[in-house]
Amino acid sequence: SQELEQSPQSLIVQEGKNLTINCTSSKTLYGLYWYKQKYGEGLIFLMMLQKGGEEKSHEKITAKLDEKKQQSSLHITASQPSHAGIYLCGADMNTGFQKLVFGTGTRLLVSP
Amino acid sequence: ETGVTQSPTHLIKTRGQQVTLRCSSQSGHNTVSWYQQALGQGPQFIFQYYREEENGRGNFPPRFSGLQFPNYSSELNVNALELDDSALYLCASSFQPDTQYFGPGTRLTVL
Repeated sequence: SQELEQSPQSLIVQEGKNLTINCTSSKTLYGLYWYKQKYGEGLIFLMMLQKGGEEKSHEKITAKLDEKKQQSSLHITASQPSHAGIYLCGADMNTGFQKLVFGTGTRLLVSP
Repeated sequence: ETGVTQSPTHLIKTRGQQVTLRCSSQSGHNTVSWYQQALGQGPQFIFQYYREEENGRGNFPPRFSGLQFPNYSSELNVNALELDDSALYLCASSFQPDTQYFGPGTRLTVL
């Protein structure tokens, strides 16, 4: 079974609309990372959350980690075509070294 | 730009062959991690090297091996290639235990 579940698996939104992507773990998260990936390319770091209740924003993207540190959400405001791609959450499961476990990703398309 | 580079970009091999993938980390980063990403999946952790020694390993067989060099470069070697080894291979560098920055990946196809 997947240690990290992402929802939805795919999303098509109209340009200018808001959207939210969720990442859920059955275990406590010691560090939660959000990355963006263009098809077949490397991962681009977006944000890292560590403390329960933490919220970070960069341009039109906001990420939150819930108080129990088992769920994170990524919210995009007023989506643009440049936001299209695959969004991946990766978690540090406190293995003693920084091994990241990833979800399967959310594929986002933004239609004009 | 993450400052992490990988070579080659694409590679085609046949079953049973051996392959070496290369990664150049950001200057000053003492940790490199390698991941395998199958089509439509998230990256899976292969192993991590910290100061030139293996620091942790995922659920991959011993035919997957690696090296890290003092000049911030590293290698992933895969012996006896199987069809299921076809994937995007990503390296990520960090200054332990900070954020991992990923390279663009090497697409390996095994025929």
